[in-house]
Parts: sequence; C-alpha cells; structure tokens
Amino acid sequence: EAQVTQNPRYLITVTGKKLTVTCSQNMNHEYMSWYRQDPGLGLRQIYYSMNVEVTDKGDVPEGYKVSRKEKRNFPLILESPSPNQTSLYFCASSSLKGNTEAFFGQGTRLTVV
Amino acid sequence: KQEVTQIPAALSVPEGENLVLNCSFTDSAIYNLQWFRQDPGKGLTSLLLIQSSQREQTSGRLNASLDKSSGRSTLYIAASQPGDSATYLCATTGGETSGSRLTFGEGTQLTVNP
Repeated sequence: EAQVTQNPRYLITVTGKKLTVTCSQNMNHEYMSWYRQDPGLGLRQIYYSMNVEVTDKGDVPEGYKVSRKEKRNFPLILESPSPNQTSLYFCASSSLKGNTEAFFGQGTRLTVV
Repeated sequence: KQEVTQIPAALSVPEGENLVLNCSFTDSAIYNLQWFRQDPGKGLTSLLLIQSSQREQTSGRLNASLDKSSGRSTLYIAASQPGDSATYLCATTGGETSGSRLTFGEGTQLTVNP
C-alpha cells in the first residue's frame, strides 16, 4: 500500500530540547516536503527536497532543518524548539514533475511549552 | 507568487443536497490541481487530481472541474451525506513556484446535517 509514515503522531516538549520528526515513503518518490498547518494561516511549506542530498527552503524555514540521506526518508529537525513552533506538521511526497498525486502523512501534533 | 482562495470558508447543508465548493488561483500556469479532504486533527486524503490539460475528473459522487484560463476549479458533491462532513482543500502545483510544490487554499469546512 502506498503510504507516507510520520512519527510520532503527538509530541509535547519543552523549549530548547532538540527533536526530530521522522518521515518515510514507500513510493520511490523524488519530491518530499514538510508543511505546517496553523489556524487562519493554512498549510505552509517549510522545506522540500527534490532528491537525495538536494534540499531547499520553503516559505517558513526559520528554526527548522532537514536532511535527505536516503530517498525514502526526510526527517524534520528542530534544533531548539520554541512555543511558536507549536503546530500540526505534515510530510508529503510526490513525483518530481508535480503531475501526479501528492501523498500526505497522518500528521504530527507538536506542542512546545 | 501563486495564491489560492476557497469560497465559502464554511458551509452547512442538510443531508441529500448537491453542493459546490469553489477554488480560485491567480497563476494559470499550473501542472495540476488537487482536491483533498481533511478530517479534524487528521491527515490529508487526496480526492481528485486534475491535470492541467484536463477539464474535469469524477470519482463516485464527486466531480471536479478545472478552468485554467479563468483560474477556477469547482468540486461538486452529489447527494451529500453526514460522512462528507470535513474540511475540503484545493491545492495547485506549478506556476511561478514551479515543480511539485503545493500551494493550498485555506479550505472550506463542510457540515452535512442529518
């Protein structure tokens, strides 16, 4: 079954404590990205990757890092989380040309206190 | 920069009604337009994908149309059911943002009352 798997689903952490949200896809997609969803602001892209070792900033990259060492995995790293990063996060994957369906993970609800 | 707008922001209808959700976008140079469904606190489920060369796509009670020249798409839901209650999001790829990046509207929150 084609899927994008994110972990964890829920996370409560304290300000400044480094965390990683994992994302894995089984469709051999080149393109992977991270979005955050906030009330009134919709879904905004944080970072994206067009292939292994190729990553770039989206609309709201501040405070986040990513890596793409393998094609299937695209972890999101918060080196020093702050309360304004409390949000619902989604990982997505698709083919590179954007002419096929995008698949989303189930989301990670992050709370930073 | 591509901007996607969805109207209305919220819609409440009685069960059995046919309804239309609207999506507009500012840059017509898109690769495709995708409609998603999101249940509260959950992930996005793809409903329909319309390629830029297509005019419409159908899946069961859902029909999505695309008019690139006017920058509009509609999602038609026939014979609505309470289980259709969710937020519906449209998103484009391509345009000035290029490639596979999705630009989302803010969604229409649909409630179907029994």
